[in-house]
Amino acid sequence: EDKVVQSPLSLVVHEGDTVTLNCSYEVTNFRSLLWYKQEKKAPTFLFMLTSSGIEKKSGRLSSILDKKELFSILNITATQTGDSAVYLCAVYGGAQKLVFGQGTRLTINP
Amino acid sequence: DARVTQTPRDKVTEMGQEVTMRCQPILGHNTVFWYRQTMMQGLELLAYFRNRAPLDDSGMPKDRFSAEMPDATLATLKIQPSEPRDSAVYFCASAPGLAGTEGDTQYFGPGTRLTVL
Repeated sequence: EDKVVQSPLSLVVHEGDTVTLNCSYEVTNFRSLLWYKQEKKAPTFLFMLTSSGIEKKSGRLSSILDKKELFSILNITATQTGDSAVYLCAVYGGAQKLVFGQGTRLTINP
Repeated sequence: DARVTQTPRDKVTEMGQEVTMRCQPILGHNTVFWYRQTMMQGLELLAYFRNRAPLDDSGMPKDRFSAEMPDATLATLKIQPSEPRDSAVYFCASAPGLAGTEGDTQYFGPGTRLTVL
């Protein structure tokens, strides 16, 4: 059964800190890994990763995939209170279904 | 600004009643997904369609849930009869469904918050 595990489940840091969120997966016929940010509403797309070792970057957020070790990390530098959200990792596997992790709830305190 | 739309945004109903949720995918997207999100279970995939054909509905309780795409601009999710445990936020998402992996990105609608009393 395809599985996606995120860690930590919850993280509280101070504004300005750098955080690293982890996502490990076990899926058949890996196709892509996606990161989403969910505040109070629907998830919004952040990154899609398909190749190992190529960093995707958007402002203070970046992500990289390791297909050999089956994990991805999402980094956020110089965190702001607006970064507070649940960050979801999801993987497309052999069944062409998107399997979601439990999410990491990130809280940024001023 | 293309986006997925869902109606209704909120629905409160009594146990045993039929509930119908509607979704309009982004124009040109050929893959549509229905998800359910609860605090306990997180985000779960219920069903998805490609080119209006159901590809997988294994996440859906078959006895009371049904999903259809009457046409390319409308997807529906019905619950009959509804039960209190169906209370959740139901998201619809659409994806381009292109041959390359760029088509994997899913765009979520705002969700329907369902409360079954």
